[in-house]
Amino acid sequence: QVQLVDSGGGVVQPGRSLRLSCAASGFTFSSYTMHWVRQAPGKGLEWVAVILYDGSKKLHADSVKGRFTISRDNSKNTLYLQMNSLSAEDTAVYFCARGRGREGYNFFDFWGQGTLVTVSS
Amino acid sequence: QSALTQPPSVSGAPGQRVTISCTGSSSNIGAGYDVHWYQQLPGTAPKLLIYENINRPSGVPDRFSGSKSGTSASLAITGLQAEDEADYYCQSYDSSLSSYVFGSGTKVTVL
Repeated sequence: QVQLVDSGGGVVQPGRSLRLSCAASGFTFSSYTMHWVRQAPGKGLEWVAVILYDGSKKLHADSVKGRFTISRDNSKNTLYLQMNSLSAEDTAVYFCARGRGREGYNFFDFWGQGTLVTVSS
Repeated sequence: QSALTQPPSVSGAPGQRVTISCTGSSSNIGAGYDVHWYQQLPGTAPKLLIYENINRPSGVPDRFSGSKSGTSASLAITGLQAEDEADYYCQSYDSSLSSYVFGSGTKVTVL
């Protein structure tokens, strides 16, 4: 069965960096577009970034552009989110999600359990 | 401010029908991009409920249905049950923002 396991969250000081991971199993990871979505405490969902199945194309939300980088290692079935220059506004639960459908028409059919990132001094 | 607007809350008695609207614009829903819906129970990850406007994934009860027209979409829940109490989000793509976008979310309360 499809499984996505998010990890790497924690408490980090403003301005520091953190790398999140999403370990995939139960499907051919290298065939699927993958996304990161976040949810601030008590707030709604916010899309963060997407990467095509082969890593050839990436897109980041304006709110994280230049600070966050999505990447993947298909040999390890793992998705990553490198987060730099973190601020309190980045405090959220981060979910990885598998994308389905055409580019630009993606929906998210499976989600990780989420990992909490808290940015605080 | 979300590109897709949903009512903050809707409520209904068990067995009733409720609908959740998702209002967009000419750069997202009105541009022809599909709308998808997710259910999020407290403390859990979102779950896909409706994809490509009207389709239900395997395992989703047929009490849930979706529709789309113009710059808006709707999710209907018929035969409301206590287990349907959750947050619901619509999602699409916005060509002006070059970004996937979510609705603001709607909390469904079963009275």
